[in-house]
Amino acid sequence: GEDVEQSLFLSVREGDSSVINCTYTDSSSTYLYWYKQEPGAGLQLLTYIFSNMDMKQDQRLTVLLNKKDKHLSLRIADTQTGDSAIYFCAESKTGGFKTIFGAGTRLFVKA
Amino acid sequence: GAVVSQHPSWVICKSGTSVKIECRSLDFQATTMFWYRQFPKQSLMLMATSNEGSKATYEQGVEKDKFLINHASLTLSTLTVTSAHPEDSSFYICSARDRQGEKLFFGSGTQLSVL
Repeated sequence: GEDVEQSLFLSVREGDSSVINCTYTDSSSTYLYWYKQEPGAGLQLLTYIFSNMDMKQDQRLTVLLNKKDKHLSLRIADTQTGDSAIYFCAESKTGGFKTIFGAGTRLFVKA
Repeated sequence: GAVVSQHPSWVICKSGTSVKIECRSLDFQATTMFWYRQFPKQSLMLMATSNEGSKATYEQGVEKDKFLINHASLTLSTLTVTSAHPEDSSFYICSARDRQGEKLFFGSGTQLSVL
């Protein structure tokens, strides 16, 4: 079945880079997403990548996709205290209704 | 990006009352919206898929008579928690796909507390 897994916790120092990893099982996934959730708020779409891409960069965010290993990562450069949040990895297919979410990675940024 | 508005942000109610949560797509038409439930420190659990003009599709284990979903227009879906009980207390989030069907945009969530 479809499954998305990610590490539950990451702690980094302010100014360092953060790398959040995710693996998924459905090889027919078309879109892979990273969402950010701050306490008491909904999910904010940070970035997404098509499965035919290897990398996408958007300012401080870099997404790497290894389709062979079904591995997705999100790198946040120069991590700031405001980046502290829960980051969800998710996948969906073209024409599919459901988006499958991982359990979320809690990022703590120490000043 | 697209905006999804969810209201109210939080609600406290007595056990046995019903609570309605609204989800609106502000700048696009959403034929399909989704309702999720999130427990503290856990991921999102898909409750149901709301389809404009037709019945919602509920996930296994979700009581359709308990969680009434109405998608009366292309920009509005509502979730009504009927006869709420303390175990229904949770964070409820709605979402909608953009026109291209690529991206999912979320409302800000509703924290429901049933006393």
